[in-house]
Amino acid sequence: QKEVEQNSGPLSVPEGAIASLNCTYSDRGSQSFFWYRQYSGKSPELIMSIYSNGDKEDGRFTAQLNKASQYVSLLIRDSQPSDSATYLCAPKERGGGNKLTFGTGTQLKVEL
Amino acid sequence: GAVVSQHPSRVICKSGTSVKIECRSLDFQATTMFWYRQFPKQSLMLMATSNEGSKATYEQGVEKDKFLINHASLTLSTLTVTSAHPEDSSFYICSASNGGRYGYTFGSGTRLTVV
Repeated sequence: QKEVEQNSGPLSVPEGAIASLNCTYSDRGSQSFFWYRQYSGKSPELIMSIYSNGDKEDGRFTAQLNKASQYVSLLIRDSQPSDSATYLCAPKERGGGNKLTFGTGTQLKVEL
Repeated sequence: GAVVSQHPSRVICKSGTSVKIECRSLDFQATTMFWYRQFPKQSLMLMATSNEGSKATYEQGVEKDKFLINHASLTLSTLTVTSAHPEDSSFYICSASNGGRYGYTFGSGTRLTVV
């Protein structure tokens, strides 16, 4: 059973702070990793993807990947109230029809 | 680019009736489409994977005769919930891929309420 673990939260951070979201996964063969943001009642939207070990930055977002530790994280700098949402980690399964396996998500609350 | 249109956004139906949900990729060819179901405060649960021109692959525990999936073209997949019951009430979301290594694009979702 391929598993993706995320702390469900809620993770509360003050406006302007750095929010750190973490994810571990069980499938060692996963090569691609995606972070989605989901607002309440809406469908997920892609925030970032990462394929190689290390950091990848896009604006206020930085994804970090460590395949040896089977760990992927998302940092959000200068957090804004509009960042309040649930963040879903999704490794892409090796083979298996290219499915994404979703974690339960971490609820982030950015407080004024 | 990479827009996926899903309709309807909301539907209320009577128990025992069938409901069809459409998912269209508007600006790319979706070789694979995925159908998810999400209950309140839970994560997305993959129901099935459909590839254009072939039968859908259903996840364990998902009734293929109840959730009919058709992927007749590279831009359209449909999910039909047959003989719907109140326990089928959920948020159904499609996702499309063009087969590359990039992220999958989600439709806006369909909130189904069976009364």
